[in-house]
This record gives sequence, structure tokens and C-alpha cells, in this order.
Amino acid sequence: DTEVTQTPKHLVMGMTNKKSLKCEQHMGHRAMYWYKQKAKKPPELMFVYSYEKLSINESVPSRFSPECPNSSLLNLHLHALQPEDSALYLCASSQDPGGRLYGYTFGSGTRLTVV
Amino acid sequence: KQEVTQIPAALSVPEGENLVLNCSFTDSAIYNLQWFRQDPGKGLTSLLLIQSSQREQTSGRLNASLDKSSGRSTLYIAASQPGDSATYLCAVRDLNTDKLIFGTGTRLQVFP
Repeated sequence: DTEVTQTPKHLVMGMTNKKSLKCEQHMGHRAMYWYKQKAKKPPELMFVYSYEKLSINESVPSRFSPECPNSSLLNLHLHALQPEDSALYLCASSQDPGGRLYGYTFGSGTRLTVV
Repeated sequence: KQEVTQIPAALSVPEGENLVLNCSFTDSAIYNLQWFRQDPGKGLTSLLLIQSSQREQTSGRLNASLDKSSGRSTLYIAASQPGDSATYLCAVRDLNTDKLIFGTGTRLQVFP
């Protein structure tokens, strides 16, 4: 298995809803990442988990809450989002923290719309 | 601060052409450079990874080169096909910040 799997592919949520995005990889990668991408822009880093511990939080608002239950699974919990949070949310993993040796593998993303 | 620029921002070519996409970075202190492809509304697909000690990598019709001293990388696509239409992103692993810094992307359209 050489993939990063993200679910759901599409999500529409109201501003008072609570939802979660899920990301899975079974490649034995030791680092996992959440990125946010707005239309026609490059991805922006949100969070980094290294060996299941949060190592980087890029000053992301607390309405986004990451969780790494085990080495294969990464969640992003969403609560009280704003319409401007609508974007493509990408998960990535790397065999070594930082992807210095083998680079990154990205998932296909979750298209989030906040109404 | 590391900045990554891709030129051109958009490119439209007829099928069969060989083409070159450019990526420039301001600081040569990098671990590696990775080229990605992104289809509209989809995730990133890794195409090639070049370590800082390497000069080029090849995969099928794709060839990526790296000139670290001049802060440049090129992605060469041979015999382009309509299926190559996508946005191509380069990203450098910056040595100083230890972060992946993305370029602005080149949107490629190959028409039949």
C-alpha cells in the first residue's frame, strides 16, 4: 500500500457543526501533515505530527484540532468554522520526519465547504 | 527567507511538444526538491524527488534537473499529451527552517 487515504472526499458543514476529517497511511511513515489549500494557491502547512506527537502548529485557530491516535491515522476535528475556512484540506506523510530522504506522499484531499 | 517561484504561471501547448517548466529558489541551502502534479480539485501526486547532492532524476517522459548553486530546477516533459494537463508544483525542503516551501505553480494545458 503506497497511498495516503483521506475521507470524506467532500464535506459541506454549517458554522455551528462539528465534523472530522480522516487521513490514513499504511506505509510505516513516521510523520504526518495537514495542509490547507485555497484555489489557485500553493498548499499551506497547518500541523505536523512526528512519531505521533504534535511537533508543529503553524498558529492555526483553535477551531481546528488535530489528533493522531496511532502511527497510521491522523484526524482533523472541525468546530465553529467560518466560510473563509472553505478550502481543500490535504494530508501528507513522509517516511522520515521532514521528508528529507524520500520526500512527501499526499492524499487526494477533502474539499470542505462551510455554509 | 526562502522563496520559490515558478515561471511561467500558465502554459498552453499543442500535443507532441517537448516543454520545460522552471522553478527558482532564493536560498541554495536545501535538503531536496520535489516536483508534484495536481489535477483540478485533487491532491498532489509526487513526480520526482531530487536530493541536494544530485543533478537530475528521470521517470518515463519526465526529467528533472537541479542546479543548487544557481537556485534553479527544470522539469522537462517529452512528447506532451493532453493527459499531462494539470498544475505542476515544485517544493524545496529548506535547510534553515526545515520546512517544505512550495512554488506558485505552473498551470499546463496540452491541447490535441
